[in-house]
Amino acid sequence: GEDVEQSLFLSVREGDSSVINCTYTDSSSTYLYWYKQEPGAGLQLLTYIFSNMDMKQDQRLTVLLNKKDKHLSLRIADTQTGDSAIYFCADPDRGSTLGRLYFGRGTQLTVWP
Amino acid sequence: DTGVSQNPRHKITKRGQNVTFRCDPISEHNRLYWYRQTLGQGPEFLTYFQNEAQLEKSRLLSDRFSAERPKGSFSTLEIQRTEQGDSAMYLCASSPPGQGYEQYFGPGTRLTVT
Repeated sequence: GEDVEQSLFLSVREGDSSVINCTYTDSSSTYLYWYKQEPGAGLQLLTYIFSNMDMKQDQRLTVLLNKKDKHLSLRIADTQTGDSAIYFCADPDRGSTLGRLYFGRGTQLTVWP
Repeated sequence: DTGVSQNPRHKITKRGQNVTFRCDPISEHNRLYWYRQTLGQGPEFLTYFQNEAQLEKSRLLSDRFSAERPKGSFSTLEIQRTEQGDSAMYLCASSPPGQGYEQYFGPGTRLTVT
């Protein structure tokens, strides 16, 4: 099976940048995803990156991919209190079915005013 | 454009009872997934449908669990003889045809078994 690892907690001040890190094991992944989950809610797809890219920017979000180290990061610029949530990185399992996602345990982001 | 919907949002049941959850995917999404999420964990894959065909089931899906997608649109997940360990959030996701694997999740059904 797959292994997706994330640090569990991150606290930042409003207006600062947040960087959430993830490592994964499946080197054949074509896409990697970031999801956001607010309390009691489902998962919201935030962004994704194709494996032939090193970086993708989407408004306040920047995704960096280091394929050699199997390391993915999500940077949130000008973090707001509304960004407080759990962030999951997800890696599709190409060895199995088309699109089964493996998730990390999630990083709880707390933004202090 | 409506997203993925799930019903009910919350279910409390006594141990040993059967429960059924429904998922309505985004229209024209041919792929549908069920995941289970327990407290402090990420979602874990349960099963996957492409149109009406159930193509894969996780080892997590014991004999007490069954899922259907009879006409390739909505799906149901039934748990028979519920156990306290079945308490979790059950998430449904759908995905459009194509090469990407982006999945769009519903709000989930929170099951509590007492």
